[in-house]
Amino acid sequence: GAVVSQHPSWVICKSGTSVKIECRSLDFQATTMFWYRQFPKQSLMLMATSNEGSKATYEQGVEKDKFLINHASLTLSTLTVTSAHPEDSSFYICSASTPWVTDTQYFGPGTRLTVL
Amino acid sequence: AQSVTQLGSHVSVSEGALVLLRCNYSSSVPPYLFWYVQYPNQGLQLLLKYTSAATLVKGINGFEAEFKKSETSFHLTKPSAHMRDAAEYFCAVSSNNNDMRFGAGTRLTVKP
Repeated sequence: GAVVSQHPSWVICKSGTSVKIECRSLDFQATTMFWYRQFPKQSLMLMATSNEGSKATYEQGVEKDKFLINHASLTLSTLTVTSAHPEDSSFYICSASTPWVTDTQYFGPGTRLTVL
Repeated sequence: AQSVTQLGSHVSVSEGALVLLRCNYSSSVPPYLFWYVQYPNQGLQLLLKYTSAATLVKGINGFEAEFKKSETSFHLTKPSAHMRDAAEYFCAVSSNNNDMRFGAGTRLTVKP
């Protein structure tokens, strides 16, 4: 149980284009979803927290107009990287939590984005 | 603000030897502490978590960690390393599951 999927698992795009990454909770309702970014050989950095039906809360230094987050349902959140640049190339990982299992985030497998 | 410090970015042990990965935390409120494992190009898998119950927490794959408030530590141990344990390990702290902060990670290498 408590499986989180991400799609796509990897994506390559040209500079200036936009890329959408999906995060789905497959067998539970995720009231809160989190988006992290991980650069090579570094730790995870929280980008934003989103609650279903509400606007996402972004961490300091994360551009909300560049990283658009939508959490329209209890099982789906999307991250759209707009006008991507090579420096946006990273591993993006989402996680989800449910109020029925406190103190635990369930992580997706990650999406590797490469911007040429 | 909460934070964790993982001592040692890289730990190398021989197969069958004791694994010890160090984590110290800083928190102004009683913390929730976690250890996650990450295999190459994959997401994070929860090994174990401490949420103010027993101070010695047993996790999956033979790992365990002990919460020591006096030392503000939550070190991860395994009595006997296996080749499949080679991975990146992250310690994390949160106060309410909505504010999880990760350490820099420790890469574990297991030598045959």
